[in-house]
Amino acid sequence: DGGITQSPKYLFRKEGQNVTLSCEQNLNHDAMYWYRQDPGQGLRLIYYSQIVNDFQKGDIAEGYSVSREKKESFPLTVTSAQKNPTAFYLCASSGGQGWETQYFGPGTRLLVL
Amino acid sequence: KNEVEQSPQNLTAQEGEFITINCSYSVGISALHWLQQHPGGGIVSLFMLSSGKKKHGRLIATINIQEKHSSLHITASHPRDSAVYICAVWVNKLVFGAGTILRVKS
Repeated sequence: DGGITQSPKYLFRKEGQNVTLSCEQNLNHDAMYWYRQDPGQGLRLIYYSQIVNDFQKGDIAEGYSVSREKKESFPLTVTSAQKNPTAFYLCASSGGQGWETQYFGPGTRLLVL
Repeated sequence: KNEVEQSPQNLTAQEGEFITINCSYSVGISALHWLQQHPGGGIVSLFMLSSGKKKHGRLIATINIQEKHSSLHITASHPRDSAVYICAVWVNKLVFGAGTILRVKS
């Protein structure tokens, strides 16, 4: 079955720690996206990548970093510089044309200890 | 002002009722998406529209480009329709509304 997987489902971060959220897709999609969801707010774009080895900052990139070394994988690192990381993080992919349907992973909930 | 506004924020309906969720946007767009988010958090795309109307089962989505407005209708609502419904517009990136929380009671 084709789809997007994210792991872990829940992640706990200690103060000053970097943590990495995994996102993998087997849909052969070129474009991948990371969003953050906070209660009562719309999803906000953190980073996106339209092709391997290239990525761009979204609206709220500060305190986050990404890599795109393989087409299938787009991990997100939440660094210690992100002072309010508690949120629900969603990864998505699409066929390449940005306006096309995006397919979402199940999400990772990040909590701060 | 948010670029994408949804109404209502919360909606409770009885099983079988006809439901309408509205989405207004303030910018020119290439496409509009309706998404469904279940309590577990996963998001599923329901429709992508650039004009007119689309129908899938009991769901109908319409868009009026001139008025910058879209509606999502659910006919013969069922408790399994309970979810958050999200409108998003493509303006060189997806811009999301805050969502409408729908609860359908049996």
